[in-house]
Amino acid sequence: NAGVMQNPRHLVRRRGQEARLRCSPMKGHSHVYWYRQLPEEGLKFMVYLQKENIIDESGMPKERFSAEFPKEGPSILRIQQVVRGDSAAYFCASSPLTSTDTQYFGPGTRLTVL
Amino acid sequence: AQKVTQAQTEISVVEKEDVTLDCVYETRDTTYYLFWYKQPPSGELVFLIRRNSFDEQNEISGRYSWNFQKSTSSFNFTITASQVVDSAVYFCAHPLRGNTPLVFGKGTRLSVIA
Repeated sequence: NAGVMQNPRHLVRRRGQEARLRCSPMKGHSHVYWYRQLPEEGLKFMVYLQKENIIDESGMPKERFSAEFPKEGPSILRIQQVVRGDSAAYFCASSPLTSTDTQYFGPGTRLTVL
Repeated sequence: AQKVTQAQTEISVVEKEDVTLDCVYETRDTTYYLFWYKQPPSGELVFLIRRNSFDEQNEISGRYSWNFQKSTSSFNFTITASQVVDSAVYFCAHPLRGNTPLVFGKGTRLSVIA
């Protein structure tokens, strides 16, 4: 019973490049959440998606960041024109339902922007 | 606004000591959930417990126990007879609405010394 999968685990980008982070939810889970953890800080919510829908993106920066969860395939968090301040650990979580179920987290993607 | 406070930034104990990690939350909801997650040095986030506000009974799972006090808005976590493998950052979390998004405390870094 595979857990939440994220890849890559580590990603290095130069300023101005694009970063694509992938998340495959647990089997049977149709809700995906992205969180960001800056160094020495707690996790901050970014976006909540269901298949083909963005439900809540209140935590997403207004520019350069986007997320999708297509009908087929993993959820993608995309960061365009990365800057050094984007360096962080990005965690994906999934749950089967929304209002009462636990969110299970993937191992995270550590993004380093040079 | 919903808020989670973990006042202890770092705790250091000697192996076999008991240790309690504090969590205080703020909520406007009458029913809600509370969570604890563990982040070991390897970086992943491990789900520990989800608690419903209706159930104020203390919960015990092996060496772990949780004390939920609705009157003081606290959900404290105790590790009995701590072990080196318990060394990690522990996060308390509370949903902003329903089950999403999770609002995390800043975490408590626990170091258990042999």
